[in-house]
Amino acid sequence: DTGVSQDPRHKITKRGQNVTFRCDPISEHNRLYWYRQTLGQGPEFLTYFQNEAQLEKSRLLSDRFSAERPKGSFSTLEIQRTEQGDSAMYLCASERQTTGELFFGEGSRLTVL
Amino acid sequence: AQSVTQLGSHVSVSEGALVLLRCNYSSSVPPYLFWYVQYPNQGLQLLLKYTSAATLVKGINGFEAEFKKSETSFHLTKPSAHMSDAAEYFCAVSVRDDKIIFGKGTRLHILP
Repeated sequence: DTGVSQDPRHKITKRGQNVTFRCDPISEHNRLYWYRQTLGQGPEFLTYFQNEAQLEKSRLLSDRFSAERPKGSFSTLEIQRTEQGDSAMYLCASERQTTGELFFGEGSRLTVL
Repeated sequence: AQSVTQLGSHVSVSEGALVLLRCNYSSSVPPYLFWYVQYPNQGLQLLLKYTSAATLVKGINGFEAEFKKSETSFHLTKPSAHMSDAAEYFCAVSVRDDKIIFGKGTRLHILP
């Protein structure tokens, strides 16, 4: 396993700007998740994909958030018109479906000023 | 919908003492249950998982957890705490190949 990689690791932006995060999962993993984590909290489910199909998006998630996985490999998470409340660590994970184990990237930390 | 509740956002134990981190789940069908650990400035990694085989599950670093259906619990234990166990621990649940949902976490502090 080469591991899950996320880019950028840190992003500072001004309120109202759009940001995009990229996740490259472990190549043989078909399922990919996005979570959001704030200080002192557990990973909050945002959305997940099986290959290129988006299986579910959290009902609590604003329409400003969108995710894609166009070729069933890497995925992007875009946040439009960022707000200060979007400041968090955005985690990507891919799943080894034979065992259900998630492999996490190191996360992309977003700071909205 | 499935969910997990972790009792105690912070737990402190003395080095060498028993570690007990509590997790209760809610699910209308048999769940898969997981414990993940996050060391400072590191990503989450799997400690152990329950997938309907043996109810007592052994994981890495001497941790184990027992699935108790009657109590809807999956508590994490370790007989003797080590300083290196200081970390944040997350319980997680999924059902029928559905998404994996995490609890809010418990930060474990080890006292010398």
